[in-house]
Amino acid sequence: QVQLVQSGAEVRKPGASVRISCRTSGYTFSSQWLHWVRQAPGQRLEWMGRVMPSGDNTVHAQGFQGRVTMTTDTSTRTLYLEMGNLTVADTAVYYCTRNWQGPFDYWGQGTPITVSS
Amino acid sequence: IVLTQSPASLSSSPGESATLSCRASQSLSITYLTWFQVKSGQAPRLLLYGASNRAAGVPDRFSGSGSGTDFILTISRLEPEDFAVYYCQQFASSPYNFGQGTKLEIK
Repeated sequence: QVQLVQSGAEVRKPGASVRISCRTSGYTFSSQWLHWVRQAPGQRLEWMGRVMPSGDNTVHAQGFQGRVTMTTDTSTRTLYLEMGNLTVADTAVYYCTRNWQGPFDYWGQGTPITVSS
Repeated sequence: IVLTQSPASLSSSPGESATLSCRASQSLSITYLTWFQVKSGQAPRLLLYGASNRAAGVPDRFSGSGSGTDFILTISRLEPEDFAVYYCQQFASSPYNFGQGTKLEIK
């Protein structure tokens, strides 16, 4: 069965960087876009961007370009999100999800990132 | 494409029906409109795609309709587990925005 399993919670100070992961299984890794979506406390879901495995073709939402890096490792079927220059506003739960010409059907369990001094 | 949901919150009782609205800032093919259910501490759950097709395991009391810029999620015969936050999302064009959500609360 399809599974997306994310890494654990992270705590960082403002200005720091963080890297989280999303390990996938149960489907052909290179066949689907992989996306990052975040939800800050009390806020709506926010799409951050997507990456296609095997080539790392990426599309970022405005506001994340230049500060966020999305990569994949096809040998381990893992998606990564790296964010730099963190601020308190980046405190959120970060989700990975997938799609290809269809809905975002499977989601990771979420990785909380807390940015606090 | 900006999605605007209404109402922001809705109070209903188990057994009643609830109607949630999602309006797009420009015409959107029904193919690219989805609805998600989000409960506290859980990942989003895909409910409906193509605006009216239920995802696997979603009970038939959830139904969707709409076209153009106006889409509706109807939940009939509300069960206690249905009280959650519901989001619409479009994936027709990047950025794949979500609406601001409708919180369905128990009256």
